[in-house]
Amino acid sequence: DVKVTQSSRYLVKRTGEKVFLECVQDMDHENMFWYRQDPGLGLRLIYFSYDVKMKEKGDIPEGYSVSREKKERFSLILESASTNQTSMYLCASRPDGITNEKLFFGSGTQLSVL
Amino acid sequence: GQQLNQSPQSMFIQEGEDVSMNCTSSSIFNTWLWYKQDPGEGPVLLIALYKAGELTSNGRLTAQFGITRKDSFLNISASIPSDVGIYFCAGLDPDSGYSTLTFGKGTMLLVSP
Repeated sequence: DVKVTQSSRYLVKRTGEKVFLECVQDMDHENMFWYRQDPGLGLRLIYFSYDVKMKEKGDIPEGYSVSREKKERFSLILESASTNQTSMYLCASRPDGITNEKLFFGSGTQLSVL
Repeated sequence: GQQLNQSPQSMFIQEGEDVSMNCTSSSIFNTWLWYKQDPGEGPVLLIALYKAGELTSNGRLTAQFGITRKDSFLNISASIPSDVGIYFCAGLDPDSGYSTLTFGKGTMLLVSP
């Protein structure tokens, strides 16, 4: 089975801190994604990457950056955390291929910014 | 990005009842997916649909890809308490250069034993 692992289930940070959310997948998938999930808003795409060192903005990239130095690891960075970034963050991956739109998700990181 | 209209927003039903939820879009999609998210976990794929008109089952779950390619529905028959969770539809925009999915806002399902 595909395993997408997010390093933390819960994080509490202070406003202005730099925050790193880590995600690792073990199935050699080319594509990796970061979503945030908020009640009533569903899943919104922050950034994605289709190859090592490649990144593309999603629908809500403001206030975030990403890093993909290795194929299996995709990091989400909050340069200066703010309270409106309190949310559930979900990492996902999938392989290339036209019938491979199915995403495999991690269990999520619930981030609270105080 | 695009928006998918998913309804209902939430449902509270008795065990044994059937459930129906749907998603609609103003534009067409090539693929429809249905995910379930258990409390405290990430979403897990339930059903994938690739052709207009396609009807696919997975146990007590049945999903259909609408003929117009602008909608999809998910039915759950004879619900049980472990069906509790948030159900998301997701669609693949054929004009999306990187094949990113658009998600609905979710339907929260609560099942009373």
